[in-house]
This record gives sequence, C-alpha cells and structure tokens, in this order.
Amino acid sequence: NAGVTQTPKFQVLKTGQSMTLQCAQDMNHEYMSWYRQDPGMGLRLIHYSVGAGITDQGEVPNGYNVSRSTTEDFPLRLLSAAPSQTSVYFCASSPQGLAKNIQYFGAGTRLSVL
Amino acid sequence: ELKVEQNPLFLSMQEGKNYTIYCNYSTTSDRLYWYRQDPGKSLESLFVLLSNGAVKQEGRLMASLDTKARLSTLHITAAVHDLSATYFCAGYTGTASKLTFGTGTRLQVTL
Repeated sequence: NAGVTQTPKFQVLKTGQSMTLQCAQDMNHEYMSWYRQDPGMGLRLIHYSVGAGITDQGEVPNGYNVSRSTTEDFPLRLLSAAPSQTSVYFCASSPQGLAKNIQYFGAGTRLSVL
Repeated sequence: ELKVEQNPLFLSMQEGKNYTIYCNYSTTSDRLYWYRQDPGKSLESLFVLLSNGAVKQEGRLMASLDTKARLSTLHITAAVHDLSATYFCAGYTGTASKLTFGTGTRLQVTL
C-alpha cells in the first residue's frame, strides 16, 4: 500500500526560487493537510483541505499556496523561497475529517533554502 | 486559539522504569491525539482519545484524557529501549477542523 507519498524527499533552493512539493494519497481520504516541522517547535499547520476544491489556511500560511483539484493530490507551492522556509515538510491525510480519525503522514520533504 | 503544552521536553529513563508524559491544552478540545516520531522519520499515530475519561492502551503505552482538567497523559510502563522516540500530543479544534501539536517530548531509554 502506497499510503501518503511525498516528493521530493530532499530539496535545496536558492532564495527567491519557486517550487512545488508534491503530495498524493491513494486511500480516497477527504482531508489533507501540510505541516512544517522546525526544531523545538513541533508541527505547525500550513494549509489544509476538507475535500476537492476546498482549502483553508492553517497557523503559518504566509509564503505558501495550495490547491486541491482532485481528491488524491494536494501540492504545496513556495512562491519565492526564503531561508525562513528551511524546514521539514509533512503532508498528511485522514478519512472524512479529523473528528474521529487518525492522520496518516507522508515520509516528509527536507527543504533547505540558501 | 488552542495551545498545547507538553512536559517534560526531554526525558531520559532507564529500562524497566515507569514514567508519564503530560499534555496540557488551553481551551476546549474534545479530541486528543498522540503520535510517535523516530529520528529522521515520519509520524506514526498511537492513540485517538475521543471523550472525557477515555483510556487506551497499546503494549507498554497507555493514554488517558481528562477534558475537565484539559490534560492528557501518556504513561510508559517498564520502558524498553525500543520506545526511544519523540512523542507528540495534538489537540483537535472542531470548528477549524485542524490539529494543534505540542512541541514534543524526546524520550531516551537507556540500558
């Protein structure tokens, strides 16, 4: 079972470059989300989606865009990378929202912005 | 706005000992989640606590939820080295349909 797949696993960017972190799940989950993890700060929610065509901001949305054109895919776009966006990014999905269900996490993308 | 605090942030314990990790949250949260993360790895779901008084156990780990005290605990019984990891709790904000994570407790079990 593939579960939640994130690509790439590692990425180095220069300040000002743009890129898209890919996230795909094959479990037909409605809820998908993006987190960033920084040392000593736990996970912080960037954006989330409760279904195709619906997205909303999390705790730290600035500098990131998302879209949800299909149930399976939830890409995260960095418009103009900054060193402050150096972090580990996790995508997660959950069936029918979070009220009673666990989230399944991808393996993560380690991003360095120079 | 929901805030989640864990303590301790770091815990070093000997094999065979018992200990408890505490998770306090600031406002109403009817769901509480516990996750485990091994170094350089992703997060693995351990428990979902759905109501006041809920208790769940898996092996040497037991989690409980007291919504009145806004407190969840993760109790470790007779620790073994394989339990070494970082443990996160997360509260659920129903109106915003999102989780707020604590900063994590790094557990190191020594021989």
